[in-house]
Amino acid sequence: DIVMTQTPLSLSVTPGQPASISCKSNQSLLHIDGKTYLHWYLQKPGQSPQLLIYDLSSRFSGVPDRFSGSGSGTDFTLKISRVEADDVGVYYCMQGRQFPITFGGGTKVEIK
Amino acid sequence: EVQVVESGGGLVNPGGSLRLSCAASGFSFSSYSINWVRQAPGKGLEWVSAISSTSRHISYAGSVRGRFTISRDNAKNALYLQMNGLRAEDTAVYYCARAPGYCGGPNCYYSFDYWGQGTLVTVSS
Repeated sequence: DIVMTQTPLSLSVTPGQPASISCKSNQSLLHIDGKTYLHWYLQKPGQSPQLLIYDLSSRFSGVPDRFSGSGSGTDFTLKISRVEADDVGVYYCMQGRQFPITFGGGTKVEIK
Repeated sequence: EVQVVESGGGLVNPGGSLRLSCAASGFSFSSYSINWVRQAPGKGLEWVSAISSTSRHISYAGSVRGRFTISRDNAKNALYLQMNGLRAEDTAVYYCARAPGYCGGPNCYYSFDYWGQGTLVTVSS
């Protein structure tokens, strides 16, 4: 199974400041089709997870451009350029490269 | 508007069975793979099972293989998860999620773009 490791476990950010979350996989998520099947989700308190970034760096419909995804192979980063109060929740990375699909353990983001 | 709505959760005794349903609307259900993902209380996300658009590709997490069965009825825009031999560790909110992408060989390649609100399954005596 592909193991997904997220850091940090939690993050406390001042509104307007940037934030960064790291996700590492123990196998490459790059497919021969040229896509990297690494995705990012945000689960706001009391809600279902929502897709933020798919295929490494594509923003899902309606996601603000404050969110960006980057990386390659086994090393990935989600960046929030300017954190807002509405960004609180738990962020998860997920690999869709092979079964079983696996998630990172989550990073809880709170506002200072 | 794309919607997936889970139902069928509840309290069940260890060793018992439960059948979850997921009703889809607002999109061409027969064109998409659909997955089940669960979340134990206070824990992270765990993928459970996947079924491709034509039911040709089906996959399970090791923790549920042999006990859970995923199926779909494209005529009814419905997805199901039959859960047998339930254990305390199966207690979780179960989400269904639409999965745009494709399947090739033994794998499917996709993200989960729309999730339901979840249905709670509690396994306890």
